[in-house]
Amino acid sequence: EDQVTQSPEALRLQEGESSSLNCSYTVSGLRGLFWYRQDPGKGPEFLFTLYSAGEEKEKERLKATLTKKESFLHITAPKPEDSATYLCAVQAPTGTASKLTFGTGTRLQVTL
Amino acid sequence: GAGVSQSPSNKVTEKGKDVELRCDPISGHTALYWYRQSLGQGLEFLIYFQGNSAPDKSGLPSDRFSAERTGGSVSTLTIQRTQQEDSAVYLCASSLASSGEETQYFGPGTRLLVL
Repeated sequence: EDQVTQSPEALRLQEGESSSLNCSYTVSGLRGLFWYRQDPGKGPEFLFTLYSAGEEKEKERLKATLTKKESFLHITAPKPEDSATYLCAVQAPTGTASKLTFGTGTRLQVTL
Repeated sequence: GAGVSQSPSNKVTEKGKDVELRCDPISGHTALYWYRQSLGQGLEFLIYFQGNSAPDKSGLPSDRFSAERTGGSVSTLTIQRTQQEDSAVYLCASSLASSGEETQYFGPGTRLLVL
């Protein structure tokens, strides 16, 4: 059974204080690892897809990396508007498309 | 708009009543997914459609839950004889489901409260 564990559960940073969120996964063959951002009362918003170990992707202050066992979401010099819950999900290689298995997320709060 | 839409945005119902939740996917997306998000828990997969057929229904929690998709577009999730434990946010997502592009894009969700 696919499993995703995210840590920490919650993280409080001051504006400009860089940090990393962790996503550890167990899957029988990785088709893709996805990062989403979710604001309160809204649906998840897509950030990145990573497909193979060593791959990295960046978007503004966010950078996602992938190894064979985990992924990191690095946040550089965060701003208050980066406050949200960050979700990690994995997709196993079955069929044309398939479900995502999600972790429970990391709640990030960035203060002034 | 071009995103996934869901209706209603909020639904309050009494225990034992049936509810229908609707999802309108992004135009051209052949795959459609339903997930459930309970307070303090991760997103839980319910069912997946490819076109109008459902190759994977493994996440439906009981036979009170059913879903259909017509015309390869709109989908309806029906919960019969609702129970208080059905209270959650129900999220719909869609994807192109073509090789190399499988990103799932989510709608805003329907918040269901069963009293």
